[in-house]
Amino acid sequence: GAVVSQHPSRVICKSGTSVKIECRSLDFQATTMFWYRQFPKQSLMLMATSNEGSKATYEQGVEKDKFLINHASLTLSTLTVTSAHPEDSSFYICSAPAVTGGGVMGNQPQHFGDGTRLSIL
Amino acid sequence: AQKVTQAQTEISVVEKEDVTLDCVYETRDTTYYLFWYKQPPSGELVFLIRRNSFDEQNEISGRYSWNFQKSTSSFNFTITASQVVDSAVYFCALSEWGGGSNYKLTFGKGTLLTVNP
Repeated sequence: GAVVSQHPSRVICKSGTSVKIECRSLDFQATTMFWYRQFPKQSLMLMATSNEGSKATYEQGVEKDKFLINHASLTLSTLTVTSAHPEDSSFYICSAPAVTGGGVMGNQPQHFGDGTRLSIL
Repeated sequence: AQKVTQAQTEISVVEKEDVTLDCVYETRDTTYYLFWYKQPPSGELVFLIRRNSFDEQNEISGRYSWNFQKSTSSFNFTITASQVVDSAVYFCALSEWGGGSNYKLTFGKGTLLTVNP
């Protein structure tokens, strides 16, 4: 079945560091990927929609300059947390629906990466 | 207002008990999709089921069953004869048109299910 690989699985770094998280679709092309953030014991909150070849669409309240998204190919999207601070510590999860072409069909289950646990000291 | 409400924050049962996880959703769309995902302690999300708004047929898959009722905007999930391995956080999610060319997935807050031996 479709697999989404997310790397790294865990990052611990000092405040002020920029951290890049990769999300790859391994056996399918993903024109769209999604980035979520999950605080401990809370739900997944959609941060942004990553679109191959165009700018990402950010949800209200998410800082574009803080969370840089690049979707340069049909199989890779990256999320860079710039100048990370302790409040950015969280579990970040990417997902991709296994569809190609224009648009995301609502009935397609999202295939999720295993998540990245980011800890900023 | 929450689009997806999972009123039960935590549920604890003893193995072999049946347990139902509630999910109530809110949408103005006539076409939408509902999902259940499981998140074990390791963190990865596992897809369990999807249901579209036009299909109210209930579904059974092994020990899992789902009851979709449009009249009450509910999509409840029942685990029969629960097992310790069922312990996880279960998320109900709603997929609606988000504008542009994409649907967006909104998650409920999740229900932590603990099955004790």
